[in-house]
Amino acid sequence: QVQLVESGGGVVQPGGSLRLSCAVSGFTFSTYGMFWVRQAPGKGLEWVAFIRYDGINKYYAESVKGRFTISRDNSKNTLYLHMSSLRDEDTAVYYCVKDLAGYSNAWWGQGTLVTVSS
Amino acid sequence: DVVMTQSPLSLPVTLGQPASISCRSSQSLVHSDGNTYLNWFQQRPGQSPTRLIYKVSNRDSGVPDRFSGSGSGTDFTLKISRVEAEDVGVYYCVQGTHWPPITFGQGTRLEIK
Repeated sequence: QVQLVESGGGVVQPGGSLRLSCAVSGFTFSTYGMFWVRQAPGKGLEWVAFIRYDGINKYYAESVKGRFTISRDNSKNTLYLHMSSLRDEDTAVYYCVKDLAGYSNAWWGQGTLVTVSS
Repeated sequence: DVVMTQSPLSLPVTLGQPASISCRSSQSLVHSDGNTYLNWFQQRPGQSPTRLIYKVSNRDSGVPDRFSGSGSGTDFTLKISRVEAEDVGVYYCVQGTHWPPITFGQGTRLEIK
């Protein structure tokens, strides 16, 4: 049974930092690229970042480039998103996703809420 | 960046009636490998999205056969043959051909009349 469990969300002040984690089980994590997607309250879905299966290639949305860093630990089956210089507009539910592009089976986590507020 | 445009954005449907959602891309979604990476996701109220359709017309495991996807190039459609109460939610098309960035449609909210 595939599971993606995000954690690390919470309330943070503008300019602050936060690290999200996504613990994965049920598939061979080390052989798949992984994505982060976010959804602001009452809004649509926005792709945030991607990391290749081996961690070598990483891509970011323009809205987060230079502020967010995606990483992974294949020995721990865990995906990370380190967020810094947070802004009000980063407030969203952040989802960990396996396969957004359509290459293989797709799975989403339950999401973790990040609120940027003073 | 590829712009994905869905219509309608709101879709009231009577139970048992068909429904159709259009998704248009600003450029052809045919990949150099010959595949067209156009996918459909459903997000029920209060839940995470789940994928219904991948590569235009392939239903994911467990997806009822009342859902079907079609289209080519820049013009795609998700159809529900007979809407059921559990189909209420927001539907998104997403392209995985020309990325980064991966881009989503704005979402279509399906409700029961």
